[in-house]
Amino acid sequence: DVKVTQSSRYLVKRTGEKVFLECVQDMDHENMFWYRQDPGLGLRLIYFSYDVKMKEKGDIPEGYSVSREKKERFSLILESASTNQTSMYLCASSSTGRRAFFGQGTRLTVV
Amino acid sequence: GQQVMQIPQYQHVQEGEDFTTYCNSSTTLSNIQWYKQRPGGHPVFLIQLVKSGEVKKQKRLTFQFGEAKKNSSLHITATQTTDVGTYFCAGKTGANNLFFGTGTRLTVIP
Repeated sequence: DVKVTQSSRYLVKRTGEKVFLECVQDMDHENMFWYRQDPGLGLRLIYFSYDVKMKEKGDIPEGYSVSREKKERFSLILESASTNQTSMYLCASSSTGRRAFFGQGTRLTVV
Repeated sequence: GQQVMQIPQYQHVQEGEDFTTYCNSSTTLSNIQWYKQRPGGHPVFLIQLVKSGEVKKQKRLTFQFGEAKKNSSLHITATQTTDVGTYFCAGKTGANNLFFGTGTRLTVIP
């Protein structure tokens, strides 16, 4: 079975801190995604990557950056965390044209 | 950006009643996927539709892709308490992206 692992289930950070959310997949998928989930807004795409060192902006990239140095790892970076970035963050991976597999999610609280 | 809207946002049904959620995209989709997220869980893939007008069934669930490949629906016949969760459609406009809809949260009253 495909496994997508997010580094933390729960995270509490202070305003202004730099935050790293890590995601690792074990199925050699070329595509990886970062979403944030907020009530009533569904899953909004922040960034996705279709290959190592390649990235594309999703719908809400402001305040975020990403890094994909290795195929299995996709990191989401909050350069300077703000309270409006408090949310559930979901990582996913897929092969091109195929289903996406999700990690368990990281609930980030910025205080 | 990509707009994939779903209606309704919430639906409460009595156990045994039918349920339908609708998904509409502002652009033509190459394919559409449906996912279910149980309370406290993460989205899990249900099905993918690729062809214009395609209809697929999984037991009590019927999925449909519109002729113009801009809309889709999920219909559940005779809901059960195990159907509780949020149902998302997800559309692809290119080879690699995947934009999710706003989701429909289904509550089933026993």
